[in-house]
Amino acid sequence: NAGVTQTPKFQVLKTGQSMTLQCAQDMNHEYMSWYRQDPGMGLRLIHYSVGAGITDQGEVPNGYNVSRSTTEDFPLRLLSAAPSQTSVYFCASSRKWGYNQPQHFGDGTRLSIL
Amino acid sequence: DQQVKQNSPSLSVQEGRISILNCDYTNSMFDYFLWYKKYPAEGPTFLISISSIKDKNEDGRFTVFLNKSAKHLSLHIVPSQPGDSAVYFCAASGSRSNDYKLSFGAGTTVTVRA
Repeated sequence: NAGVTQTPKFQVLKTGQSMTLQCAQDMNHEYMSWYRQDPGMGLRLIHYSVGAGITDQGEVPNGYNVSRSTTEDFPLRLLSAAPSQTSVYFCASSRKWGYNQPQHFGDGTRLSIL
Repeated sequence: DQQVKQNSPSLSVQEGRISILNCDYTNSMFDYFLWYKKYPAEGPTFLISISSIKDKNEDGRFTVFLNKSAKHLSLHIVPSQPGDSAVYFCAASGSRSNDYKLSFGAGTTVTVRA
């Protein structure tokens, strides 16, 4: 039972490069989301999706794009990497979109932008 | 501006004693609260939650207390065990569909000493 799988685990980019962080879940969850974790800041919501074909912005969406073509996958795209995007990125999912739906997290992608 | 605050970045406790983690929030629309636990190189995992209609929720060694008038909640771990050494995140959301998004605190690192 894989749960939420994120790839890659580590990545180093140069400023201006683009890349896609992959996230897949095998629990048939409707809701998926992306967070970034920075020192002293907790986890901040970047984008989220309440189902295939539906996405919306979170607290810190600038510089990131998402799409949800299937229930299972929710990739996060960095369009033109900046040093301020150096962070640990977590993907999460829950069965439904709701307030009493604890989220299941992947193990994170540690991203460094030089 | 962070709406969920964990003012103690770290806590050290002896094995067998009680760990008390505190969390304050500012948004009066929050009425559902969760605690997540995170080990290094892993994603956060859901620990325990509480709805604002309650002032206490207990699950084994873990108890969460909510003081809504003070906008304060706490997590008690009794007795503390070495495996409890981790980062603990407090999170909050509203119960209306436009308030579902989770807001996280910055985390408290708990170290349980043998």
